[in-house]
Amino acid sequence: EAGVVQSPRYKIIEKKQPVAFWCNPISGHNTLYWYLQNLGQGPELLIRYENEEAVDDSQLPKDRFSAERLKGVDSTLKIQPAELGDSAVYLCASSRGLAGNDEQFFGPGTRLTVL
Amino acid sequence: DAKTTQPNSMESNEEEPVHLPCNHSTISGTDYIHWYRQLPSQGPEYVIHGLTSNVNNRMASLAIAEDRKSSTLILHRATLRDAAVYYCIRRRPMRFGAGTRLTVKP
Repeated sequence: EAGVVQSPRYKIIEKKQPVAFWCNPISGHNTLYWYLQNLGQGPELLIRYENEEAVDDSQLPKDRFSAERLKGVDSTLKIQPAELGDSAVYLCASSRGLAGNDEQFFGPGTRLTVL
Repeated sequence: DAKTTQPNSMESNEEEPVHLPCNHSTISGTDYIHWYRQLPSQGPEYVIHGLTSNVNNRMASLAIAEDRKSSTLILHRATLRDAAVYYCIRRRPMRFGAGTRLTVKP
C-alpha cells in the first residue's frame, strides 16, 4: 500500500511569492490533515478535512493561507504571499476513519525556504 | 491546556529498556493517549495508543496510570534505530508538544 505522497519535497522561493503544496493521502482514508513544523518543535495542526469538508481550520492563518480538498481525495495548501517566517516543513497526514482516534499516517513533508 | 508534558531529552543504552513519561493531568475521560515518534528528516510515525488499560504492540507498551493523569511509553529493548523524538498526544484536540528526544548509546 502506497503511503502519503507529498510534492514537492523541497521548495525555495523569495518572500512575497506564492507557493503551493500537494498531498495525496492513502487510498480510502477519509480524514486529511495539514501540519506546519518549525525546527526543533512538534507539528502544529493547520487544518483537518473530513472528506471534502474542513472541520478544524482554527489554526490556519486565513489572510495568506488557503487549502482545498476537492472530491475528498488529494489536497492543496497554498500560501500567498509567502513571508520569511513561513519557512518550515509542511506535513500532510491521513487517517481512515472520521472519529478522530485513528492512527495517522504522515507523508515525508515539504521543506519550504523563504528568502 | 490541551498539551501534554514530557522531558526534553532522555538517554538510554542499546538493548536496555526505556521508559518515556508523559503527564496529561487535564485529560478528559474520553481522550485517548497517542504516541508518535519522528526520526530525522521524516514525518511522525504512529507508535501506540490507549484509553484506560495498558496496551502492547510489536513496537512498544503503553502503561496508563489509574487516574489517567500520566502514562509511560516502554521500549523493551532500545536499539539505535529507536533514536527519535517521541511525542505523547491527547487525541482531542490533536496538539503535538516538543516531545522527548531519545538518544540511544551503543
